[in-house]
Amino acid sequence: EADIYQTPRYLVIGTGKKITLECSQTMGHDKMYWYQQDPGMELHLIHYSYGVNSTEKGDLSSESTVSRIRTEHFPLTLESARPSHTSQYLCASSEGVYTEAFFGQGTRLTVV
Amino acid sequence: AQSVSQHNHHVILSEAASLELGCNYSYGGTVNLFWYVQYPGQHLQLLLKYFSGDPLVKGIKGFEAEFIKSKFSFNLRKPSVQWSDTAEYFCAVEEAAGNKLTFGGGTRVLVKP
Repeated sequence: EADIYQTPRYLVIGTGKKITLECSQTMGHDKMYWYQQDPGMELHLIHYSYGVNSTEKGDLSSESTVSRIRTEHFPLTLESARPSHTSQYLCASSEGVYTEAFFGQGTRLTVV
Repeated sequence: AQSVSQHNHHVILSEAASLELGCNYSYGGTVNLFWYVQYPGQHLQLLLKYFSGDPLVKGIKGFEAEFIKSKFSFNLRKPSVQWSDTAEYFCAVEEAAGNKLTFGGGTRVLVKP
């Protein structure tokens, strides 16, 4: 069983609010990812990290930002939430090349 | 940038039928290939993976996939599905040099009892 946790699982928030989605893993993995997934749709990579103090933007442009100050923690922040940010956000981690990624349960965000 | 295509968005079949889901990718270099499954209400989990060696790989729950390099394909198969195979299936490709993990659009599979 993979040890990767996302909080909160569900969040409903008003437009303009700042939010941080938490993602933590206890496996010591260097690589971490954030994906955005609309219901029934594909996963879009929005951010990834190779390790502490390294972050990269993914294939899908996103107004969110990430940080990687500690190996185990990879939070995603929206400075000003909008209804277009309504989606499911999935966090994943992997040990490196030639290993699979482990996923968290996801955070379902609704911006009203 | 690499892309991953899954040709079927929805598949409906009866128990004991055979299943094959197509996956093609665009990257020309060395790749690592994965199939993930997401059961209703659960998180994504690995079904099988290919890094090198025998292009026919076996995964959990009777699934297998075949890597055909010349066709840039990594199709998933199961000879006889069960109702419990109802899920969404995602193909994913990782550039061996680039470390980015890209997913296909997913295929929703509904197995009727």
